[in-house]
Formats: sequence, C-alpha cells, structure tokens
Amino acid sequence: DVKVTQSSRYLVKRTGEKVFLECVQDMDHENMFWYRQDPGLGLRLIYFSYDVKMKEKGDIPEGYSVSREKKERFSLILESASTNQTSMYLCASSWEDTQYFGPGTRLTVL
Amino acid sequence: GQNIDQPTEMTATEGAIVQINCTYQTSGFNGLFWYQQHAGEAPTFLSYNVLDGLEEKGRFSSFLSRSKGYSYLLLKELQMKDSASYLCAVRVTGYKLSFGAGTTVTVRA
Repeated sequence: DVKVTQSSRYLVKRTGEKVFLECVQDMDHENMFWYRQDPGLGLRLIYFSYDVKMKEKGDIPEGYSVSREKKERFSLILESASTNQTSMYLCASSWEDTQYFGPGTRLTVL
Repeated sequence: GQNIDQPTEMTATEGAIVQINCTYQTSGFNGLFWYQQHAGEAPTFLSYNVLDGLEEKGRFSSFLSRSKGYSYLLLKELQMKDSASYLCAVRVTGYKLSFGAGTTVTVRA
C-alpha cells in the first residue's frame, strides 16, 4: 500500500512565524503535490514537484514556497504565516495518474 | 479558471441508491477522478474515467460524457459507512488536478 505521511496532524502558530510542513512518501513516486482544503472551496493546488529540485506553481502559490531535496520528501514553507493561511493542508504523491493523499495537517495561525 | 460543479449536500436512506452529479468546464481534459473523504481523513481514490461510458466497481459506478462535460458517481446499496464527502476532480493538464468543492453524503438509518 502507498503510504504518504505528514509531520503533524495539528499545528498552531502565530502570525509572522515561519512554518514548515513536511510530507514523506514511501513509493518512489516522481510527483508530489501540496493542496489546501477550505470549506466550500474544495482542494486547491499550491505547488507541485515532478522531480527532485523541480517545482511548479499551482493555482494559489502566493505566500508559500516549497523544497524537494530528496525524492521521498516534499516540504511546504510559509515564510511569514498569516491568519488567512489557517486551513487544512494535504500532501499527495503520484507516479502516473492516481494521486494518493496524506492524512492532512490542520494549521491554525493566531 | 476551471469550473467544476457538484451539489453541496445529499441525504439518502440506508440500502438506497444515490447519484452525485459533476459538471465541468475546464481549459483541458485528460480524465476525471472521484475520491471519497471521511471527516478528518485523507481523500481516497474511487474511480478514474478517461473514455465515455460507465465504469462499475462493486457498489460504486462512475459515468462520463466528455461531450456534455458531465460525470456522475452512483452509490448503490448504501451503507452507513458511505457517509462521507465525495470529490470530483478533473485532470486538466499533465498531472494537475482541479477539484470541485465536494458533495457531503449523509446516510440515514
């Protein structure tokens, strides 16, 4: 079974803090994705990566950056957290068509 | 932008059938996915349609009409454990997916 893990299930941070969300997959997948999920808006793609050190902006990249130094690990960085970044963050990985999701990190920015 | 519409909520009785519709207007189309997401959990893959027609997988079936920009997910013999959100997603280009807002299905005894 594909396993995608995220470093925290719940996280509370203060406005202006730098926040790191980590995602690890164990299936040697090429592609990895970061989404945020908000009520009524569905999942929206922030960034994705199709190879080590390669990244591409998704639909809502503003205020976020990413890092992929190793194939199995994809990090989402909030350089200076703001209250409008309070959300559920979901990581996914895929080899070809199907994306497999991690359990999510619920981030609250106070 | 991409436009993917599905109903917000549906309620059905245990043992019944429910059909969740999804209409889309997107800049590209390379297939349509359905995912199931229980509250507080990760979305899990249900089906993937690339060609027109019906794909059946046990109690769940998914239909696609590319000319109409339309898909549905059919859930038969509903069980309480089917209470969840169902997400429609279009593979627009490459490996990028655009998601609808999701349909919350509540199964009542």
